[in-house]
Amino acid sequence: GAVVSQHPSWVICKSGTSVKIECRSLDFQATTMFWYRQFPKQSLMLMATSNEGSKATYEQGVEKDKFLINHASLTLSTLTVTSAHPEDSSFYICSAIDTGGQSYEQYFGPGTRLTVT
Amino acid sequence: QKEVEQNSGPLSVPEGAIASLNCTYSDRGSQSFFWYRQYSGKSPELIMFIYSNGDKEDGRFTAQLNKASQYVSLLIRDSQPSDSATYLCAVLPPSGSARQLTFGSGTQLTVLP
Repeated sequence: GAVVSQHPSWVICKSGTSVKIECRSLDFQATTMFWYRQFPKQSLMLMATSNEGSKATYEQGVEKDKFLINHASLTLSTLTVTSAHPEDSSFYICSAIDTGGQSYEQYFGPGTRLTVT
Repeated sequence: QKEVEQNSGPLSVPEGAIASLNCTYSDRGSQSFFWYRQYSGKSPELIMFIYSNGDKEDGRFTAQLNKASQYVSLLIRDSQPSDSATYLCAVLPPSGSARQLTFGSGTQLTVLP
């Protein structure tokens, strides 16, 4: 299957600072990427849909000014958590659609665990 | 009614048995169906996808799709303790709409040695 990477895999930051998470499709081009958040023992929660060359589409209740998404190339999307607070501590996972696949398969990155102190 | 429904479990099966995971969906126009496995603390991993009625086999895994009944299942033969994880069913909406998958809440599977 296709490979999606994320960097960093974990990060600890102080309250009030910003953190950038990168998501890369390594062996395919992805015009569409997704950003999810998952709290312990809970389901995946879609935060936003990132389309290359255009503005991201945010899900209801997700603050677009707090979670900045940039999808500047066909292989890279970034999520910046601005002015992070302890309640932003979570597991952030990106995924990418392999548009060259048979059925719009969506592949997930390994996730980034964010801890805000 | 949830768009994609799964039994949350937990489902326990003995090692070597067949584990059967079920999923129903509400949008009759849905196109493709995916099964992901998620180990605790890890991100989901794509196991299989299916888009035609019938069975699709890949190693110990078989996906079954019945569009008339809006039902998709995953069978795991010769279950191993390493199969213990949460299994997520995901559905791709009809063409023309957003390409984002709709996920079920997952079924937790435990394979007992």
